[in-house]
Amino acid sequence: QVQLQESGPGLVKPSQTLSLTCTVSGGSISSGSYYWSWIRQPAGKGLEWIGRIYSSGSTNYNPSLKSRVTISVDTSRNQFSLKLSSVTATDTAFYYCAREVRGRDWVTWFDPWGQGTLVTVSS
Amino acid sequence: DIQMTQSPSSLSASVGDRLTITCRASQSISTYLNWYQQKPGQAPKLLIYAASSLQSGVPSRFSGSGSGTDFTLTISSLHPEDFATYHCQQSYNTPRTFGQGTKLEIK
Repeated sequence: QVQLQESGPGLVKPSQTLSLTCTVSGGSISSGSYYWSWIRQPAGKGLEWIGRIYSSGSTNYNPSLKSRVTISVDTSRNQFSLKLSSVTATDTAFYYCAREVRGRDWVTWFDPWGQGTLVTVSS
Repeated sequence: DIQMTQSPSSLSASVGDRLTITCRASQSISTYLNWYQQKPGQAPKLLIYAASSLQSGVPSRFSGSGSGTDFTLTISSLHPEDFATYHCQQSYNTPRTFGQGTKLEIK
């Protein structure tokens, strides 16, 4: 059973870079028809897709964040990572990593999700 | 971006009630629609994928329907553990987008 776990600093100063890592256990990040995604949720608000990476390294980003986001993968460590630069208070949120599964006819869904980690942007 | 709009944003119901939540897409997304349940302090959990396919392990009282722009999530008989927030999400194109969530509370 695949499990995902986020890790990284819980507090980041404004204008600095937020860095998080997601460690995948119970399966290889390189196997199957999966994308590896980052999603965030400000407290009490809705979910926002940040972007995703395939094990080959190809990426897709949300245009609203694209200029500040980098997602990378380390297949040797079975991890993928998020960097979000020039953060402000509006980037304060719970950050989740998730596996995007691809089924028939290119239907996809997010399962499983990591437990999430709160990142606060504050000086 | 495809906008996803859920209704209602919140509602109160009782154990045993039948409940329907609606999700509308700003353009046709065929059946590229998923539903998630999120409890306080937890990550979302997949309930329904491809509009109507029940995820393994999810109780059969949950069902989904719809295609094009209009979708519904139905809970046939509410259990105490079903009180949570429900999110729809489109996988028709990127960026993936979610509805604003429907918070289900106990009456």
